[in-house]
Amino acid sequence: AQSVSQHNHHVILSEAASLELGCNYSYGGTVNLFWYVQYPGQHLQLLLKYFSGDPLVKGIKGFEAEFIKSKFSFNLRKPSVQWSDTAEYFCAVNLAGGSYIPTFGRGTSLIVHP
Amino acid sequence: DVKVTQSSRYLVKRTGEKVFLECVQDMDHENMFWYRQDPGLGLRLIYFSYDVKMKEKGDIPEGYSVSREKKERFSLILESASTNQTSMYLCASSSPAGANVLTFGAGSRLTVL
Repeated sequence: AQSVSQHNHHVILSEAASLELGCNYSYGGTVNLFWYVQYPGQHLQLLLKYFSGDPLVKGIKGFEAEFIKSKFSFNLRKPSVQWSDTAEYFCAVNLAGGSYIPTFGRGTSLIVHP
Repeated sequence: DVKVTQSSRYLVKRTGEKVFLECVQDMDHENMFWYRQDPGLGLRLIYFSYDVKMKEKGDIPEGYSVSREKKERFSLILESASTNQTSMYLCASSSPAGANVLTFGAGSRLTVL
């Protein structure tokens, strides 16, 4: 069965620390990959996505993610977090050219202390 | 600004009541979805629809039904609410023209007493 795993359920950092959130998937075939973010009291929104091409993708607010096909991973990174990055982060995957329905990971709650 | 609008942000219902959650999108999207979001469980797909009057079960359809009579509107129905349906319900829409990126509504927090 298709699945998405986010290894870190809760992450607590101080401002200026570096961030890496893990995401691994088990899918057969070519995939589209997404990170969505939910800031406190706000809608879930797209942070970044990968469909093809350069495996290092950049999103909003200084976030980036790297697709490593051999590791079935799409980890989210930010070199220096801010208090405003406090949010819940969800990794999602769907099959390229196939089902448009994404499978979501369980989410990672990030708290950044000022 | 494009939007997915969920009619109710907060609802409190009693066990056994029928509950309607409404969702409207103004982006002419073909696909619409209902998820529930629970702490530690992420987003779980209840139902989705890829066209008017079409619906498909997601991962957790038990206790729920849906209706899509118009392209822009997708309703979630709890025929007889139970306490284990207390949750945050998220509506989303997408389109192949938009690379199937989901646009979410603000959510409807339902409490069943």
